[in-house]
Amino acid sequence: DAGVIQSPRHEVTEMGQEVTLRCKPISGHDYLFWYRQTMMRGLELLIYFNNNVPIDDSGMPEDRFSAKMPNASFSTLKIQPSEPRDSAVYFCASTSWGGDEKLFFGSGTQLSVL
Amino acid sequence: GEDVEQSLFLSVREGDSSVINCTYTDSSSTYLYWYKQEPGAGLQLLTYIFSNMDMKQDQRLTVLLNKKDKHLSLRIADTQTGDSAIYFCALLRGSTLGRLYFGRGTQLTVWP
Repeated sequence: DAGVIQSPRHEVTEMGQEVTLRCKPISGHDYLFWYRQTMMRGLELLIYFNNNVPIDDSGMPEDRFSAKMPNASFSTLKIQPSEPRDSAVYFCASTSWGGDEKLFFGSGTQLSVL
Repeated sequence: GEDVEQSLFLSVREGDSSVINCTYTDSSSTYLYWYKQEPGAGLQLLTYIFSNMDMKQDQRLTVLLNKKDKHLSLRIADTQTGDSAIYFCALLRGSTLGRLYFGRGTQLTVWP
C-alpha cells in the first residue's frame, strides 16, 4: 500500500483565498483524522471521521474550516476564506481500530497564507 | 488541558543512550505510542505498548510503562545523529475510542 496520500505537499496562497487540502487514506481503513501542527500549539486534532461520518469536529477552529469525506477513499479539508494565522502543516491520518491499533500519517501539506 | 506531557528538548552525544519521558493523566489508556517526526515529514510510528505490559524492547528501543505513576519512557540505545527528530508520546483512551491524544513532542538533538 502507498500509505496515506496527501496533496498538495505545499500550498502558498493569499489571504482571502479558498484552500482545499486532499487526503487519500489507506485502503480498508475506516477512521480518518485531520490534524494541524504549529510551533505554538503543537499537534491539534481538527476533526475525525468513522465510516465517512464526522464523529468529532470540536477541534475545527471556526466556520471558515470545513471537512468532507464523500467516500471511503477520499477526504477534503477546506478553508474559506484563508487567513495568515491558518499557516501550518496539515496532516491526514488513517487507521482501522480493532485491527493492529496503529495510526498512520501522511506526509502533510505545508500551507502558507500571505 | 495538558493530558499528555513531555519535556520539549533533549540533547545527547552520539553513542550515548537517550531517554525521553512522558506523563499522562488518564488511567484508562489502553495503548501508548511513540512516534518520530523528522524535518519536513509526517509522524512515523516507532513502537507502542499495551497497557497490561511493563516493558517492550525492539532492537535499540526500549519502552517502559509505569502505570502507577502514569509514566511512559522511550530509551534509545547507542543514539545516532540520524535519531535527531521530534518524538511524540500518544495514547489511546479506553473511554474515547477513536482518537489518539498526543503530547507536544520532544526535540532530540544528537551531537557528533
